[in-house]
Amino acid sequence: SAVISQKPSRDICQRGTSLTIQCQVDSQVTMMFWYRQQPGQSLTLIATANQGSEATYESGFVIDKFPISRPNLTFSTLTVSNMSPEDSSIYLCSVGWGIGELFFGEGSRLTVL
Amino acid sequence: AQRVTQPEKLLSVFKGAPVELKCNYSYSGSPELFWYVQYSRQRLQLLLRHISRESIKGFTADLNKGETSFHLKKPFAQEEDSAMYYCALLSPADGLTFGKGTHLIIQP
Repeated sequence: SAVISQKPSRDICQRGTSLTIQCQVDSQVTMMFWYRQQPGQSLTLIATANQGSEATYESGFVIDKFPISRPNLTFSTLTVSNMSPEDSSIYLCSVGWGIGELFFGEGSRLTVL
Repeated sequence: AQRVTQPEKLLSVFKGAPVELKCNYSYSGSPELFWYVQYSRQRLQLLLRHISRESIKGFTADLNKGETSFHLKKPFAQEEDSAMYYCALLSPADGLTFGKGTHLIIQP
């Protein structure tokens, strides 16, 4: 298993600003992912954070809007850029080693005014 | 594309009653399916996976390829089972796809 710390746990932001969410894992992990959970919706994969290279984005998500860094095997950041109220959501970091089981952070609840 | 459907957003049952949370999937290959659970104020965590054929906290789930279903069942619900439950499907191409979740409420 893994202990995943996400910061901030919640934030309220103004339209047009950017927010960076941090994800720290207590052990080296192969795979790190960023998910979004909008109100009343399921978890949607934003991207896979690749160590030492550009993240792999899912359809509908682009690097300019959600830049991701992963400098090493235990840390990643997700930035939500030029925010609008539609970006209000819970953003979740998750990690895994092999097939199937993912471990999740507690999430970062973002409210954009 | 793969899809996971959980038709019930909310399911309320009395303590001691049987529980069945429905999950149907759409996938052309051989699926790997999971149930994740999120208790109040806790993080999302794996409950069980179909490969293991295990019973966790009294819950079981059987993969029915004919009906493309992976329903989660428990014969006697307990109050601590109240939580959000997510069915998920894993594929090599698309990774892990989650259903929209079912909020299970166990009434005393």
